[in-house]
Amino acid sequence: KQEVTQIPAALSVPEGENLVLNCSFTDSAIYNLQWFRQDPGKGLTSLLLIQSSQREQTSGRLNASLDKSSGRSTLYIAASQPGDSATYLCAFTSARNTPLVFGKGTRLSVIA
Amino acid sequence: GAVVSQHPSWVICKSGTSVKIECRSLDFQATTMFWYRQFPKQSLMLMATSNEGSKATYEQGVEKDKFLINHASLTLSTLTVTSAHPEDSSFYICSASGQGRTYNEQFFGPGTRLTVL
Repeated sequence: KQEVTQIPAALSVPEGENLVLNCSFTDSAIYNLQWFRQDPGKGLTSLLLIQSSQREQTSGRLNASLDKSSGRSTLYIAASQPGDSATYLCAFTSARNTPLVFGKGTRLSVIA
Repeated sequence: GAVVSQHPSWVICKSGTSVKIECRSLDFQATTMFWYRQFPKQSLMLMATSNEGSKATYEQGVEKDKFLINHASLTLSTLTVTSAHPEDSSFYICSASGQGRTYNEQFFGPGTRLTVL
C-alpha cells in the first residue's frame, strides 16, 4: 500500500525564518508529486508540481525538490511570513489520471 | 491554474435526506474527476474516481449505493449522498484533471462542508 509520511506534523516559527517541510513516500514509481496548501475549512491550493523526471521546481519563495531514489521530497519556504500559516500537504500519483495519495500534512504557524 | 468550482459550499440537512454536490471545471475539459472526503484534523481520503461517460470506480469501504457519482459531461460531476446520517458529516472535495492540463496536474474545488443533524 502506498503511503506518504510528512514530518513534522506541526511547526511554529518566527517570521522571517527559512524552513523545510519533509515528505517521504513508499512507492518510488511516481508519475508526479504535488505540494498543496490548505487553509482551515478551505479547499486545496496547488503550490508546485514536480514530474518524475524533474528534481525540483521553484515558485517565488517556494522550492520543492524530489529524490525518487530515497523516496523523499522537501518543500523549502524562504523568509516565512504570517500569511504562510496553513497546512501543507504532499501528494503523489503513480500514473496518469490516477488519484493522489496524500500525507497527513504539516501544520505551519508563522508568528509575527 | 485551472478553476474548479463546487456547489454548495456548505449544507446542513436532516438525517435521512439526500444531498447533491456539484463539481465543475470552469475552463478546461475534465476527463477524470476524483472525490475525496476529509474528516477534522485528517488528510484527504479518496472516495471514488470518475471518468466522463463511464461508471465511477469506488474505493474499498465506500458504498456505491450511498454515494452516487455521475460524470455526465466533461465539465460536471455530481456526488449525491443518499439517506445521509450524522456519520456522513464531513468535508467533501473534488479534483479534476484532463485535456490540455499540464503533466496531469489535478486542480481542486473549494470543498463542500456537509453537516447532518
